Order: sequence, then C-alpha cells, then structure tokens
Amino acid sequence: GAGVSQSPRYKVTKRGQDVALRCDPISGHVSLYWYRQALGQGPEFLTYFNYEAQQDKSGLPNDRFSAERPEGSISTLTIQRTEQRDSAMYRCASSSSAGEETQYFGPGTRLLVL
Amino acid sequence: GQNIDQPTEMTATEGAIVQINCTYQTSGFNGLFWYQQHAGEAPTFLSYNVLDGLEEKGRFSSFLSRSKGYSYLLLKELQMKDSASYLCAVRDLGGRGSTLGRLYFGRGTQLTVWP
Repeated sequence: GAGVSQSPRYKVTKRGQDVALRCDPISGHVSLYWYRQALGQGPEFLTYFNYEAQQDKSGLPNDRFSAERPEGSISTLTIQRTEQRDSAMYRCASSSSAGEETQYFGPGTRLLVL
Repeated sequence: GQNIDQPTEMTATEGAIVQINCTYQTSGFNGLFWYQQHAGEAPTFLSYNVLDGLEEKGRFSSFLSRSKGYSYLLLKELQMKDSASYLCAVRDLGGRGSTLGRLYFGRGTQLTVWP
C-alpha cells in the first residue's frame, strides 16, 4: 500500500473485553513496530518484528499484551481483559529493512476502555 | 535504558529561527532522530544523525554531539504550518545480534508559530 494503515481507527470497549488491533505496513517493509502514545507524550515502544520474528517484546506492559506477524506482513496487537489504563493511541510503524533509519508511522488506533 | 529531555513548549514568530534542544543519556547509541507531529496526526520523519555534526535539509537542520549527549533541531524561516510537536528519539544498539534497536522518544516540544 501507499502508507501504513491501521484498523480500526477508533475502538471503544468495556473493561474486561479483549481487543485486536491491526497494522498493515508499507508493502515490502521488513521491520514493523508497535508503539503506544499517551496525550502530550512521545510514542512509547512496545515491540517489533523483522519479517515474522518478534525481535524485542520488552516494551509490552504485561502478559495481557501480545503481538504476532505470522506471515511477515500484517501484524495484530492483542490486549486481553482490557483495563481503563490501557486507553491510549496505539501506533504502528514500518521500515524497509533492519537498520533502515526511517520509520513510517500509521494513523493509529484510538482505544478507549470504559 | 534511556533518558531523553526536551523543552515542553516553545513559541516563535513567522519568519524567525528557532532551536529545539534535546539531551539524552543512553546505555547504547545508534542514531538520533527528529520527528514532526501535527495535532491528531502521525509522526513524520524529519532528520537522522549518527555522526557528530550538522545535517542540513532545506529549512531544517539537525546537530549532534555524541560526547555531550546533545542534539538540536534548527528551524529557519518559520511558517505557520510549522506549529507542531517536535519529537527527539534515540535508537539503541539492539540485542540478540540485531543491528536495529528500538526507538526511545522524548515527550516532544510543542512549537507554536505566531503571525
């Protein structure tokens, strides 16, 4: 695609529900990153993939958060048993190769947990 | 870990020059990035420094001093559309043999350009 796309753009859910956030990176991009961004803050790293391999998941807050990229393209970030503190903007970024300097960010998914 | 510090807010007038500073303390360093983020939009890449010195790109320039853990973004001939948050980010060395590390972002500097 022309850019990184994410879906849904907005998600409202009730506390305790599971949510799945999808990221479709730029076509052919090897590396994919997930960030979380609170209002007035910079993006906070969650995890990243090179192809289908999850290289670093140390930024995931706890074991309710998981991510996968089974075919090395689309990625899904799953949050189980959501809590109100999970409310944030979740952003995905991709880069053309490992070591490529530029990460291209998607529009984000705004998650609100009631 | 990483500690990245940048001013929270700055203001300037159209046509002026503004310098946004960023200081960092890192356990490993593999490049410093500046991103621009307009309200409600995704961050967009502005510049990248991995060696000491000044990188110029049109109206924007970025400087890095690795020994001082310091960078600045210089914006010239300011325009109203430059009003945005400017994010400083540092990339670390990565692990497990990977040459690509995670990005650590500062909280951003909100720049307001007045007519």
